Amino acid sequence: DAKTTQPPSMDCAEGRAANLPCNHSTISGNEYVYWYRQIHSQGPQYIIHGLKNNETNEMASLIITEDRKSSTLILPHATLRDTAVYYCIVRDSNFGNEKLTFGTGTRLTIIP
Amino acid sequence: GAVVSQHPSWVICKSGTSVKIECRSLDFQATTMFWYRQFPKQSLMLMATSNEGSKATYEQGVEKDKFLINHASLTLSTLTVTSAHPEDSSFYICSARDMRSGANVLTFGAGSRLTVL
Repeated sequence: DAKTTQPPSMDCAEGRAANLPCNHSTISGNEYVYWYRQIHSQGPQYIIHGLKNNETNEMASLIITEDRKSSTLILPHATLRDTAVYYCIVRDSNFGNEKLTFGTGTRLTIIP
Repeated sequence: GAVVSQHPSWVICKSGTSVKIECRSLDFQATTMFWYRQFPKQSLMLMATSNEGSKATYEQGVEKDKFLINHASLTLSTLTVTSAHPEDSSFYICSARDMRSGANVLTFGAGSRLTVL
């Protein structure tokens, strides 16, 4: 699985959009970009994933650059409950390759 | 949505004793479950892949005789920390994939915090 690079920490004002970047310059053609988050002392929570098109769900939007070497997770209206560590993970989505390898992630703090 | 339950959520034990942690998929079957360990202020580290009806696959550096994994049914995997010592104190988290979903997404349990005195 390709390696990802994320800033170690970010702050965002409550109510504003939080934009979390991720670099994955060695991503291969069959690898997806997954985002999970971990709120303190809880298990990780799935947020969103994508291959090459931008994706949106009820939690967030995922913007993937055309060359797929980087992506941005967008939380449109951040709340205090969005304070967490956010992990960007690149993984081959083929059946049988289900395990996730976590990097160090970005610690997002939402400021009141 | 898929739910993974862990029990106990926290446990304190004396050094030298064994502790069992259960991971259950509540509303789906999982032929494979994953066990992670997380030390304070660190990321999750995959320990092993639990396979229903067969032996678990351990990551490099993880002692299989110390961390016993049993995946006896399609909804239950157990991790037993044998002869626990203070350095085994950690946050243990399991995960599984709901195969009914077309997406290759893992659902995680809430974690089990082990403290060895």
